[in-house]
Amino acid sequence: QVRLQESGPGLVKPSETLSLTCTVSGGSISSYYWSWIRQPAGKGLEWIGRIYSSGSTNYNPSLNSRVSMSVDTSKNQFSLRLNSVTAADTAVYYCAREGAGYLFHYWGQGTLVTVSS
Amino acid sequence: DIVMTQSPDSLAVSLGERATINCKSSQSVLYRSNNQNYLAWYQLKPGQPPKLLIYWASTRESGVPDRFSGSGSGTDFTLTISSLQAEDVAVYYCQQYYSTPPTFGGGTKVEIK
Repeated sequence: QVRLQESGPGLVKPSETLSLTCTVSGGSISSYYWSWIRQPAGKGLEWIGRIYSSGSTNYNPSLNSRVSMSVDTSKNQFSLRLNSVTAADTAVYYCAREGAGYLFHYWGQGTLVTVSS
Repeated sequence: DIVMTQSPDSLAVSLGERATINCKSSQSVLYRSNNQNYLAWYQLKPGQPPKLLIYWASTRESGVPDRFSGSGSGTDFTLTISSLQAEDVAVYYCQQYYSTPPTFGGGTKVEIK
C-alpha cells in the first residue's frame, strides 16, 4: 500500500520561503507524477503543481513564478518550495500521486503551514 | 481554467436516507474521442488522507462501497450516497482532470440530521 507523508515547518514568516518534503513508502517514486495540492482554511482545494520522477515539472500558472519542485529518487522523496509567501499561502498542504493524468489516487494526510510573523 | 461549482454547500441527511451532491463545470469535460468524462469525486475527513471515490464520472475506485455512485455527462454531474452511514460524514469535492490546471469544486459538507 502506497503511503505519502508530508514534512516541514509549520510556521513560515511572510516574504520567506515555504519548504515541504513528501516521503513515499510502500512503492517506488519512479514512473509516476507527484503533485502538491493545498487547501486554505474554509476554502476549496487548489492544485499547485506536479513533478515526474525524471524531474520534469508542470505548475499552476497562478503560482508559477513562486513555485519550484524537485525529486530525490534515491530517498523516494519529492519537495515543494514556494517563495515570497504571504498570509494567503496559509493552508493545509497535501502531496499526492497521480494515476491517469491529474487523477489523484493516493494522498498524504496533509500538513498545516501558517504564514505569520 | 475550468470552474467547478458544487451545490449545496452543505446538507444534513438522516441515517439510511439518500444524499445527493451536484457539480457543474464551466465547460464540458467530455472528451469526444474516447467518450469519457474527466470528472472525479473525493471524500475528505479531518485527520485522514483525502480519498478518491469515483473517476470517469461513474467508475468506483477499488474498495469504495457501492452505496456511492456517480452520474452525469458534459457539464452536469451528481454524486449519490444511496443510504447514508455515519462514516460518510465528510466533505465531498468534485474535480475535473480534462485540462490543466486541474480544478476542484468548493466542497459539500455532509452531516447527519
